[in-house]
Amino acid sequence: SQQGEEDPQALSIQEGENATMNCSYKTSINNLQWYRQNSGRGLVHLILIRSNEREKHSGRLRVTLDTSKKSSSLLITASRAADTASYFCATSRSTGYSTLTFGKGTMLLVSP
Amino acid sequence: EPEVTQTPSHQVTQMGQEVILRCVPISNHLYFYWYRQILGQKVEFLVSFYNNEISEKSEIFDDQFSVERPDGSNFTLKIRSTKLEDSAMYFCASSIEGDYIQYFGAGTRLSVL
Repeated sequence: SQQGEEDPQALSIQEGENATMNCSYKTSINNLQWYRQNSGRGLVHLILIRSNEREKHSGRLRVTLDTSKKSSSLLITASRAADTASYFCATSRSTGYSTLTFGKGTMLLVSP
Repeated sequence: EPEVTQTPSHQVTQMGQEVILRCVPISNHLYFYWYRQILGQKVEFLVSFYNNEISEKSEIFDDQFSVERPDGSNFTLKIRSTKLEDSAMYFCASSIEGDYIQYFGAGTRLSVL
C-alpha cells in the first residue's frame, strides 16, 4: 500500500529562515498534496502537485515532485512564527474521488 | 467561507458504549470521508461515502463502525461498542466532484475510558 513518510520528524528554525520538509511514498500516485495541522485542529490543504508536474509554487510555498524517486519536498520561504504547525504529505492514487494516504508529518517550530 | 463542522469537539465515553460522531459537510460537496488520528500517529483513512453508499473502506472500518447520511446535511459515524483503542481524533472531510482536495473539520476527540 502507498504510504507517505516525511522527514525530518521535527524541525526548529528562526523566523525568516527557510524550512524544507521531505516526503517519500511507495506506489504510483495521481497527485500529492501537502496539508497543515495546527495543534489540536483539523487539516488545511496547502498545495497539490500532479504526477506529471515537477514543481509548483503558491505564495511562500514551493513543492517539488520526483516520481522516479517517489519523493516530494515542501519548501516554506521566509518563515514566520505563524507557520508553526505539523505538515503532512498525502497521496491520491486514482481519478474521481480518492482517499488520501497520509505520512507521519513534520512538526515545524518557528521561533521569533 | 464554507467549512466542515463537527460535533461534539470532545466526547468521553465508557468502554462498550455506543457513540455517534456528527459532521456537517460543505453544502455542495458530494464526497464524504472519515479519518482518525491516534495521538502522535499519522492520519488514517476509515471510510468514504458517495451517493448514499460506502465507496471505500479501510481495514480499520470493521463491523463496529457504520456511517449514515440521515438527511441532506448531516454525515455521521457510529461506533457500536467502543474499545479503549478507539480513543483518537476523528476527522470528517468532504470534497466536490472531480476535485482531489479535501476539506477537513476541526475534529472530534474521542476518549474511551
